[in-house]
Amino acid sequence: DTEVTQTPKHLVMGMTNKKSLKCEQHMGHRAMYWYKQKAKKPPELMFVYSYEKLSINESVPSRFSPECPNSSLLNLHLHALQPEDSALYLCASSQEIKDVWDRGTGELFFGEGSRLTVL
Amino acid sequence: AQSVTQLDSQVPVFEEAPVELRCNYSSSVSVYLFWYVQYPNQGLQLLLKYLSGSTLVESINGFEAEFNKSQTSFHLRKPSVHISDTAEYFCAVSGGNGNQFYFGTGTSLTVIP
Repeated sequence: DTEVTQTPKHLVMGMTNKKSLKCEQHMGHRAMYWYKQKAKKPPELMFVYSYEKLSINESVPSRFSPECPNSSLLNLHLHALQPEDSALYLCASSQEIKDVWDRGTGELFFGEGSRLTVL
Repeated sequence: AQSVTQLDSQVPVFEEAPVELRCNYSSSVSVYLFWYVQYPNQGLQLLLKYLSGSTLVESINGFEAEFNKSQTSFHLRKPSVHISDTAEYFCAVSGGNGNQFYFGTGTSLTVIP
């Protein structure tokens, strides 16, 4: 059983709609991630939140807007998407590495993903 | 900078035959190495990882991988595959002092009955 929960599992939206993807983890991890994955491709990093602050934005278009309301929750707000944005959106979490002496386990825990289709 | 290379994009293999999925990485610092598996329409699941210590790591379902520092490799092996092993396999590396993960391009393993 995955310990990272994503909702909804499937989402179909038009290009003018506004929707949100949600992610929740209760492992006490302080780093949370959004990835985008196309079929048969590796996950592409979109955003990283570290201690509830946005630490990495991989030049993602503004039609994707992340939000981290607290240490357990991560949202991805979607607005005015394009058909090419259709993909599997994966949330992940990991222990935050505080400094070079705290190597943690370094493992990413993934959710099952939200399959997004933009019409 | 770090990068991961998975040379084989597709690997077909007959059931009960052995398999090796290759992974090479480049990094100027110590790394953590991972193999993730992705079954159809699912997220990624950790298969096994190397952090430190013994260079041979094993998973509960019969896979193993060996960290070879001199060859900068972390190849995944299984002596006898099952139909249920059909999936996409991703090798990944992280630097250990940050939260950046680098994924290989993936290897699609298809087990043929």
